Amino acid sequence: DADVTQTPRNRITKTGKRIMLECSQTKGHDRMYWYRQDPGLGLRLIYYSFDVKDINKGEISDGYSVSRQAQAKFSLSLESAIPNQTALYFCATSDLQGAGETQYFGPGTRLLVL
Amino acid sequence: TQLLEQSPQFLSIQEGENLTVYCNSSSVFSSLQWYRQEPGEGPVLLVTVVTGGEVKKLKRLTFQFGDARKDSSLHITAAQPGDTGLYLCAGAGANTGNQFYFGTGTSLTVIP
Repeated sequence: DADVTQTPRNRITKTGKRIMLECSQTKGHDRMYWYRQDPGLGLRLIYYSFDVKDINKGEISDGYSVSRQAQAKFSLSLESAIPNQTALYFCATSDLQGAGETQYFGPGTRLLVL
Repeated sequence: TQLLEQSPQFLSIQEGENLTVYCNSSSVFSSLQWYRQEPGEGPVLLVTVVTGGEVKKLKRLTFQFGDARKDSSLHITAAQPGDTGLYLCAGAGANTGNQFYFGTGTSLTVIP
């Protein structure tokens, strides 16, 4: 079984709809992240959480919200989806190893907003 | 404006050729990572470098962190079709709140 899972893998929605993307991990990591990937822009950080009671905004948090329901679960919501939120969304977890941090990514959710 | 710029954005080469991918910034990083991403999957960490001038080798891949810790390069020797994928650099430091910011990515295709 995969260590980091994302559901759904693909989603088509309409402008104005509220949707939720879910992420679960079995790695036992405290840190979890949500990124979006757009062609030519790499990955951009939306939100991150260092533990259940910790939520931090990333580079591009506007239009998004998150919930850390448990150590293993971190969900991303689009309150009112718009077409420019069409992208590939990745969840990641990490451990902290001295000066370097290893992030483990899920398989991604491809979202299309019509 | 992207914090980390990668070049080239696209690269298509024949099997057996050598190549270098660059990751540049005007900011200083305390650590820099390289990831490879294959279609339909998330990125997978290849290496982390933390010391200016550091060189790390992973089989046919050689990673270098610039002396000033503002840039990095990835050199692949004798590329193989299995090297095909999107290569991403990511840097973290005081200017990023110690969160990793990803580069723009280099899409590599190795033709058999």
